[in-house]
Amino acid sequence: EDQVTQSPEALRLQEGESSSLNCSYTVSGLRGLFWYRQDPGKGPEFLFTLYSAGEEKEKERLKATLTKKESFLHITAPKPEDSATYLCAVTPSSNTGKLIFGQGTTLQVKP
Amino acid sequence: DAGVIQSPRHEVTEMGQEVTLRCKPISGHDYLFWYRQTMMRGLELLIYFNNNVPIDDSGMPEDRFSAKMPNASFSNLKIQPSEPRDSAVYFCASSLERGRGYTFGSGTRLTVV
Repeated sequence: EDQVTQSPEALRLQEGESSSLNCSYTVSGLRGLFWYRQDPGKGPEFLFTLYSAGEEKEKERLKATLTKKESFLHITAPKPEDSATYLCAVTPSSNTGKLIFGQGTTLQVKP
Repeated sequence: DAGVIQSPRHEVTEMGQEVTLRCKPISGHDYLFWYRQTMMRGLELLIYFNNNVPIDDSGMPEDRFSAKMPNASFSNLKIQPSEPRDSAVYFCASSLERGRGYTFGSGTRLTVV
């Protein structure tokens, strides 16, 4: 069964304290791995797509990496405005119309 | 572009009533998705359309749920009759291409009492 597991469930950081979020996946052929950010009361906002092991993408303080079994979202010197829930999702090769989401990591960055 | 537009933003209804949720995708996007989000189960795909045709409805919980896409600019999700366990946030999303990033709407928060 295709599955996505994110850890930790919640993370509290001080402003400027770098850390990483983990996304482990089990899928019958990976078409793509996606990272989204979700703010309270809003829909998920697309951040990155990764397609193959070794690929990396960056956007401001965020950097996403991909291996054959997991992805990391590295947050460098976070700011309070980075506080949100970060969702990981995969699309299996067998059903490329489908996004399977993890439960998310809720990040709180304190000033 | 205004993005994916959903209405209403909030819906409170009594058990047994029919509920209709509406979605306008981004113009030109060929794929439309309906997701449901709860604390217990996270984001779950209910159904998706390609060029207005339902492709995968395996996530629709039961016969009480139905979705249609009569044209490229509109879709609705109906629940009849509604039950308290249907309470959740329902998201619509659209995409230009299969396997690419989706754009989500702001969601409809449904409460069935």
